[in-house]
Amino acid sequence: EIVLTQSPATLSLSPGERATLSCRASHSISSYLAWYQQKPGQAPRLLIYDASNRATGIPARFSGSGSGTDFTLTISSLEPEDFAVYYCQQSSNWPQLTFGGGTKVEIK
Amino acid sequence: EVQLVESGGVVVQPGGSLRLSCAASGFTFDDYTMHWVRQAPGKGLEWVSLISWDGVSILYADSVKGRFTISRDNSKNSLFLQMNSLRTEDTALYYCAKDRRAGGKADFYFDHWGQGTLVTVSS
Repeated sequence: EIVLTQSPATLSLSPGERATLSCRASHSISSYLAWYQQKPGQAPRLLIYDASNRATGIPARFSGSGSGTDFTLTISSLEPEDFAVYYCQQSSNWPQLTFGGGTKVEIK
Repeated sequence: EVQLVESGGVVVQPGGSLRLSCAASGFTFDDYTMHWVRQAPGKGLEWVSLISWDGVSILYADSVKGRFTISRDNSKNSLFLQMNSLRTEDTALYYCAKDRRAGGKADFYFDHWGQGTLVTVSS
């Protein structure tokens, strides 16, 4: 099983600041990585797939990068609605699709 | 508009059984691989199972293999999860999710999710 480790667990930032979230895979997953956003009481929302492709309707302030074992989600300038929990997910090692433990982006 | 509506979640005793349903609309259901993903209270996400558009390919997480069975009825735009031999650690919100890519080219990313149905396993 491929283990995804997200860091930091919590990121405390102010609106307008840049957020940088990390996801590290225990083995290489090429670019088979997605990022999701989840707000309290809501289902997750797909933000990024294949490491760097924005999903339909996702604002340009969200960007993804990386390949192999190290990946980054960047939010260029935090909007109030961006404070949420973010998960990475790999689709390389199916049938065992796995998620990271999540990073909470909170208001400082 | 894509809609996924789960139902069937209840409180059940350890060792019991339950069948979850997901009603899909707003897209061509029989073009897409479908998934179940769960989230224990206050915890992260865990992929549970998938079924291909034609029902031929079925995969399970190791944690549920041999106990859960996924199925679909394309004539009724519905997805199901039969859950047997339930354990306390199966307590979670169960989401139905649509694969991002159609046909035989599923990419195992989840681009639409339902709101979930809560399964509680407790004596």
